Amino acid sequence: GESVGLHLPTLSVQEGDNSIINCAYSNSASDYFIWYKQESGKGPQFIIDIRSNMDKRQGQRVTVLLNKTVKHLSLQIAATQPGDSAVYFCAEKPPGAGGTSYGKLTFGQGTILTVHP
Amino acid sequence: KAGVTQTPRYLIKTRGQQVTLSCSPISGHRSVSWYQQTPGQGLQFLFEYFSETQRNKGNFPGRFSGRQFSNSRSEMNVSTLELGDSALYLCASSSGQHSRYSGANVLTFGAGSRLTVL
Repeated sequence: GESVGLHLPTLSVQEGDNSIINCAYSNSASDYFIWYKQESGKGPQFIIDIRSNMDKRQGQRVTVLLNKTVKHLSLQIAATQPGDSAVYFCAEKPPGAGGTSYGKLTFGQGTILTVHP
Repeated sequence: KAGVTQTPRYLIKTRGQQVTLSCSPISGHRSVSWYQQTPGQGLQFLFEYFSETQRNKGNFPGRFSGRQFSNSRSEMNVSTLELGDSALYLCASSSGQHSRYSGANVLTFGAGSRLTVL
């Protein structure tokens, strides 16, 4: 049958505003969580990550919050710029992949962020 | 430092054909992972290679296969192509070094190979 495309959540903000992108993850036993940004025509680009035993981590203009009680992850972008326009994915490292399994991640569906000048 | 290079960037095949995609990781990276990205299923893990050995495999049929060479370059092959195989195939490499804060091994993705099956 015909496949149905994912309807990605969208977020539109004005330049200079703060953006909050949310993600619900699936596995409470995941070791860590990562945010990626994907611009049109490019592969996903690493933004920031957080270990499962942390609840907050800050980077340059970005903050990731982890709420394990409700299995929720958020990415906050301060002073959003037009160059931040992209699809943002959260990803989790599933348990059981082993210490030497580096590349297996489970990705969320993504959120489209549009920044208007 | 050169990034992850994937070739070809675009290709068109017909049903029943087979295709081989190539990935050159960042110099010094020994782990290469492959993902399929489609509008319907999003990003899905295909397989991962480390030092020429397959470490993990996703939930894809046996038509999807891969290998890694001694120089860490990797190829993936899809045989007997189906319309549903149309997708962006992404390769990611990593050093195997864990992030100081998370334990995450940072993946660096290439731009992908966009396969269209007619």
